[in-house]
Formats: sequence, C-alpha cells, structure tokens
Amino acid sequence: DTGVSQDPRHKITKRGQNVTFRCDPISEHNRLYWYRQTLGQGPEFLTYFQNEAQLEKSRLLSDRFSAERPKGSFSTLEIQRTEQGDSAMYLCASSYTSETQYFGPGTRLLVL
Amino acid sequence: AQSVTQLDSQVPVFEEAPVELRCNYSSSVSVYLFWYVQYPNQGLQLLLKYLSGSTLVKGINGFEAEFNKSQTSFHLRKPSVHISDTAEYFCAVRGGFTGGGNKLTFGTGTQLKVEL
Repeated sequence: DTGVSQDPRHKITKRGQNVTFRCDPISEHNRLYWYRQTLGQGPEFLTYFQNEAQLEKSRLLSDRFSAERPKGSFSTLEIQRTEQGDSAMYLCASSYTSETQYFGPGTRLLVL
Repeated sequence: AQSVTQLDSQVPVFEEAPVELRCNYSSSVSVYLFWYVQYPNQGLQLLLKYLSGSTLVKGINGFEAEFNKSQTSFHLRKPSVHISDTAEYFCAVRGGFTGGGNKLTFGTGTQLKVEL
C-alpha cells in the first residue's frame, strides 16, 4: 500500500512565473486535500475534493491559485504569477472516509 | 469554526524522561482530534486520533493522548522518550459527525527536543 506521493519535492522559481504541483493520493481514497505550511506554522487548509468535485475552498486560495482533480484520481495545484509570499510547503492529503487524512511528503516552493 | 492552541512552542526533555505536549481546542460542534508528527523536510505522519468512545487513545511509537471534553483538551503523553522522538508535533481538530466540514485546523506546533 503506497502512500500519498507529491511531485516535485522541491521547486525554485522566479517571481512572476507559473508553477504546477502534482499529488497522487492513496489508490482507494476518494477525498483529496491541499494545505499550505509556512515556516513555524501549522498547515492551513486550501481546498478539498471529493472524487472530481471541488467542494470547499479557503479564502487563502486567491485567484492566482487553481486546483483540479480531473478524473477523481491525481490532483494538480497551479499557482500563476508567483509572488515571494507564496514560498511555503504545499501538502497534499487523502482519505477514504471523512475521518482520517494521510499526508504526502510535500512540495517545498521557493519564489525568488 | 474550530481553533487549536498549542501553548508550548518548544519542549526540551532528557532521554528516557516522560513528556506531555499540551493541546486545547475550541469548537461549537462535536469534534474529531488528531496528533501528527513532522520530521524535518517531511510531511505529516498520523500519531493517533480520537473519534469517539474511550477518552484515552493509544498511538504509534508509545504515544497516548486523553480527550477531556470539560477542559477542551487533548494532551499528548509519552512515559519515556527516545532521541528519535525529536520532531515537530501538531495537534489538529475537525468537525465531528454532527458537522463542521472536512478540513483539519492545526495548531502552531510544538518542537520536542530530546537531549542525551
């Protein structure tokens, strides 16, 4: 049973560039979540999918952020026109029921 | 809405000593409670969870936690820590069966540093 995987693990980009992250959940999990974690803080919720439907979005998710889960399996998180304030660890989690979320290793983004 | 307070940002402890990491929560609905551990440059690993039933829950690596509804607390304990327990520990809450959404709300974390 493989866990949640995320790609890439690290990304360095220049301000203004677009970046895309991928998350592959545990295979039988129908729920998928994105969180953002900045230094010294706990993760903060960004968005949630049940199958391919995006059911909840945080106010943290500005217009520059978009997430998709086209076939109810993997998900992508795109950030357009990156800003230095976007530098953070982006965590993906999945669950089979609504109870327990299992996290991936994260993608660390650095915007220069 | 829920919130979580972890009052201790850092807890130093000697190896083989007991430790308690404190977590208090606020919620207007019933809750599920979780403790996660994060090692440097890694994601979060589930230590234990309280969903319902017995208020004393046991997790991996010898950790346990007790749900106290009257004090709105979910403190994490280990009777004897090991150097490998050095990590960041996060308490999290989400709305339970009666509502509150699907997202986890995390505390700011407690850095446990085990010294020889």
